[in-house]
Amino acid sequence: ILNVEQSPQSLHVQEGDSTNFTCSFPSSNFYALHWYRWETAKSPEALFVMTLNGDEKKKGRISATLNTKEGYSYLYIKGSQPEDSATYLCAFLNAGGTSYGKLTFGQGTILTVHP
Amino acid sequence: EAQVTQNPRYLITVTGKKLTVTCSQNMNHEYMSWYRQDPGLGLRQIYYSMNVEVTDKGDVPEGYKVSRKEKRNFPLILESPSPNQTSLYFCASSLSGGYTEAFFGQGTRLTVV
Repeated sequence: ILNVEQSPQSLHVQEGDSTNFTCSFPSSNFYALHWYRWETAKSPEALFVMTLNGDEKKKGRISATLNTKEGYSYLYIKGSQPEDSATYLCAFLNAGGTSYGKLTFGQGTILTVHP
Repeated sequence: EAQVTQNPRYLITVTGKKLTVTCSQNMNHEYMSWYRQDPGLGLRQIYYSMNVEVTDKGDVPEGYKVSRKEKRNFPLILESPSPNQTSLYFCASSLSGGYTEAFFGQGTRLTVV
């Protein structure tokens, strides 16, 4: 089983703070890196899918960067709001051999934004 | 409305009684997959399908079967459920190959007693 690690496991911030989390993944057989936002009692929703080394994507106050050579991605939230409270998941899409197409998720970072 | 539909949403069953959780998508997606979510373990992929009649094992396939006879449907079959299969299950689909965003169903909470 591939190792996809997210840190920190949980994070508490105040409204207005900017924050960031890390996703580490294997640097070989890379195909894509996904980020999802998962609110309690709902289903995960896609934020970004990133495929190219050096890729940067942005959606509103949320942005992400990708380094495939060293195997990490950062997710940034600028000016956190209480509605940003959720679990943020990353997932590594494998390009290698018999594992081609397998999507492996990290355990997630639980973000709580306090008013 | 574009969606992934799972049924049932909640199910309590007894050990050994075969069950099927259905998953259907209306977006003409090629890639479909099943996950289970357990506390502290995140989402783990059970099976995935790159296209019709093509299925592959994910990280935790033991005790599960799937089929992909048509593009829109990807049922998850538990031939002989056991208590360690008590979990929250999600079906997801994406346009192709898993390198586009996945759309998740509402989830099925399964309890095996």
